[in-house]
Amino acid sequence: GIQVEQSPPDLILQEGANSTLRCNFSDSVNNLQWFHQNPWGQLINLFYIPSGTKQNGRLSATTVATERYSLLYISSSQTTDSGVYFCAVWVLSGTYKYIFGTGTRLKVLA
Amino acid sequence: DVKVTQSSRYLVKRTGEKVFLECVQDMDHENMFWYRQDPGLGLRLIYFSYDVKMKEKGDIPEGYSVSREKKERFSLILESASTNQTSMYLCASSPPAARSYGYTFGSGTRLTVV
Repeated sequence: GIQVEQSPPDLILQEGANSTLRCNFSDSVNNLQWFHQNPWGQLINLFYIPSGTKQNGRLSATTVATERYSLLYISSSQTTDSGVYFCAVWVLSGTYKYIFGTGTRLKVLA
Repeated sequence: DVKVTQSSRYLVKRTGEKVFLECVQDMDHENMFWYRQDPGLGLRLIYFSYDVKMKEKGDIPEGYSVSREKKERFSLILESASTNQTSMYLCASSPPAARSYGYTFGSGTRLTVV
């Protein structure tokens, strides 16, 4: 089946720094979503991004489907950005469903 | 906003017990999913359902079953709980793929089996 790899697995930043998280996937996908899991376990949808670039405040994401990767940019990081970031690819296997990467754990220090 | 509600935030059960995890969504979504999350393994799909009374196995269905008697409710059942089922369980829902904007997750149930 499709493989989804995220890098780096762990990241520590000083508040105010910028970062780039990467998601590689091994086959064509119908869609891709980025999630943030906060320290309480809640998964929040950040971007639904099958291709192109989207921006939402300090966060932006780019997916290049033909090259099978997506990037999540965090600018001017804040302590509330801490948590785990997952990308998930939307594939057809029986029905449509998401396959998740193993996540990037981000800690932003004050 | 879509709401996906999981009945328990924390649960402690004994080995061998039958355990029910409940998930309810309020947006008339056809698709519902159960995942478990473990450190270093990400989220792994246990079961999913694309319609009432329909269910399909995900990647790790062993030791689990599901029930979907009503569109809004999707239950995960641990037939005989074991310590290796200690995990965070996450429920999600979505519309059909043709008009999907992706998943919405519940807040999770952290299950400990002792």
